[in-house]
Amino acid sequence: RKEVEQDPGPFNVPEGATVAFNCTYSNSASQSFFWYRQDCRKEPKLLMSVYSSGNEDGRFTAQLNRASQYISLLIRDSKLSDSATYLCVVSRNTGGFKTIFGAGTRLFVKA
Amino acid sequence: DVKVTQSSRYLVKRTGEKVFLECVQDMDHENMFWYRQDPGLGLRLIYFSYDVKMKEKGDIPEGYSVSREKKERFSLILESASTNQTSMYLCASRGGTFQETQYFGPGTRLLVL
Repeated sequence: RKEVEQDPGPFNVPEGATVAFNCTYSNSASQSFFWYRQDCRKEPKLLMSVYSSGNEDGRFTAQLNRASQYISLLIRDSKLSDSATYLCVVSRNTGGFKTIFGAGTRLFVKA
Repeated sequence: DVKVTQSSRYLVKRTGEKVFLECVQDMDHENMFWYRQDPGLGLRLIYFSYDVKMKEKGDIPEGYSVSREKKERFSLILESASTNQTSMYLCASRGGTFQETQYFGPGTRLLVL
């Protein structure tokens, strides 16, 4: 079983839709959580960090549930430009520093 | 803005060749990483370095070595390229704490024939 698991998708949604991605992690010692975005044939870039209290950045909302060990990303009012792969990323510093990337969830937003 | 550059965007090599991939960052970051990315597998860590001349094996170090002689530069070496090393190689750098963001270079698409 992978330490960080994501639904690979693809998610195909119309413009304006709300879409949610989930990610589960298996190591309870995980301490930091992030969502990265990767456009086709480009490098990953940080979308947002995920805090225990949940956080919002415009149309994007990230939530963390430590008890159930999952992270979510909600995108409201989807735009064509949101089409990308979204990577769930988990870091921990026990037994040595480690950052683990999920394989990503592909999103296609259509007009 | 952090800038991470990689020496080549595309590279074609033959089996058995020695391959050098170079990465340079301009933010004085202590930590640098080499990943490979393959469809369905996500990013897998090959090696990382937390200081000059220091290196640690990642999850898939076999067939690779690294060099960090200067803080800003981290090189990945494929000692004898094989077809199963055809992949996208991504370099990243990060500041002092693991809570900080990793900044990625544009990637090198390597094809080994």
